[in-house]
Amino acid sequence: DTGVSQDPRHKITKRGQNVTFRCDPISEHNRLYWYRQTLGQGPEFLTYFQNEAQLEKSRLLSDRFSAERPKGSFSTLEIQRTEQGDSAMYLCASSFPTGLPNSPLHFGNGTRLTVT
Amino acid sequence: DQQVKQNSPSLSVQEGRISILNCDYTNSMFDYFLWYKKYPAEGPTFLISISSIKDKNEDGRFTVFLNKSAKHLSLHIVPSQPGDSAVYFCAASRGSQGNLIFGKGTKLSVKP
Repeated sequence: DTGVSQDPRHKITKRGQNVTFRCDPISEHNRLYWYRQTLGQGPEFLTYFQNEAQLEKSRLLSDRFSAERPKGSFSTLEIQRTEQGDSAMYLCASSFPTGLPNSPLHFGNGTRLTVT
Repeated sequence: DQQVKQNSPSLSVQEGRISILNCDYTNSMFDYFLWYKKYPAEGPTFLISISSIKDKNEDGRFTVFLNKSAKHLSLHIVPSQPGDSAVYFCAASRGSQGNLIFGKGTKLSVKP
């Protein structure tokens, strides 16, 4: 068990470009979450999956954002037409099927996005 | 509108003493509360949790207290160690969905 893995760790892109991040959850976890954290703030929920089904999306997830988990294993988060306000740490987390309260979220180390 | 508030951005304590980190919430529907610890360049790590049906949960040096009437919880670390220096986030949830609402965090510094 290597924990939740995120790739890349850092991404610098120019405004208007598209970016895609990948998350590999802990293998026996079938719930997967995406959060975003900006400087001085706590993580903010974006969306979560149970297996391949996307069950909830935050209003923070504008139409430029799309998340997928096609086979119920790894997930990708794509941001189209990036804006400077998208600069943040994007965190992925996973948990057992029972979810809270029996299964706390386990976070990866995040992908830091900088939009110039 | 912040539903989970950590009003102290930072806290400094001496090694061996008690660290008390505080958290307030506004949504009475929250029924599960967690504390996460975060080191620089790492993701948050789960520390301890408490259900709304309890008022205390203890795990080694870490104890979380919940006061539902005051909508307040606190994390006690005794004794504090330099390795405890990190940012501590309070989080709350309603139901079992995993949509955690986080506070802004408190940076704890434990001085040798």
